[in-house]
Amino acid sequence: QVQLVQSGAEVKKPGASVKVSCKASGYTFSTFSMHWVRQAPGQGLEWMAVVNPSGSRTTYTQKLQGRVTVTRDSSTSTVSMELTSLRSEDTAVYYCARDPGNGWFDSWGQGTLVIVSS
Amino acid sequence: EIVLTQSPVTLSLSPGERATLSCRASQSVSSSQLAWYQQKPGQAPRLLIFGTSNRPTGIPDKFSGSGSGIDFTLIISRLEPEDFAVYYCQHYATSPGTFGQGTKLEIK
Repeated sequence: QVQLVQSGAEVKKPGASVKVSCKASGYTFSTFSMHWVRQAPGQGLEWMAVVNPSGSRTTYTQKLQGRVTVTRDSSTSTVSMELTSLRSEDTAVYYCARDPGNGWFDSWGQGTLVIVSS
Repeated sequence: EIVLTQSPVTLSLSPGERATLSCRASQSVSSSQLAWYQQKPGQAPRLLIFGTSNRPTGIPDKFSGSGSGIDFTLIISRLEPEDFAVYYCQHYATSPGTFGQGTKLEIK
């Protein structure tokens, strides 16, 4: 079955960077786009970024442009999201989510809590 | 950017009742480009409906979606205790897609 397993929780200071990984299994990794969605405490879902199946194209929300980078490694079936210049408002649970090709998300990682605090 | 507005913000119902959740878009969305998700506390969202009315494998038929244009609806018939959660609609008519703010379905 499809599984997306994310890396563990992180605590970072303002100005630092964080890298969250998402390891996929149970399907052909190179045929699906992967998105990142985040959720601040008690808030709704916010789309962040997408990387296409080959990793050749990424799209980021304008809000995070310049601070977020998504990469994928087909040799390890892993997608990674790096967020730099962290601020307190980046405190959230970060999810990876698989896109079967039409824009909805049929499988999600378990989430990674990132806390930004001095 | 297409904005999705969900109503009500909170819906209080009893087990056995029927829930009707609304999602209104700021401009027309193709019916093939609207999805619904369920999220329980401490869990990742789960896809319930895609393409306005299609259920993924494993989603029971008590969940049904409908709508067109700017108005979309999720109906949950015969509420059970495990259905009380937060529900989000999502459009993917444009890239990126966006989510509604969510409807919390709580036990009355």
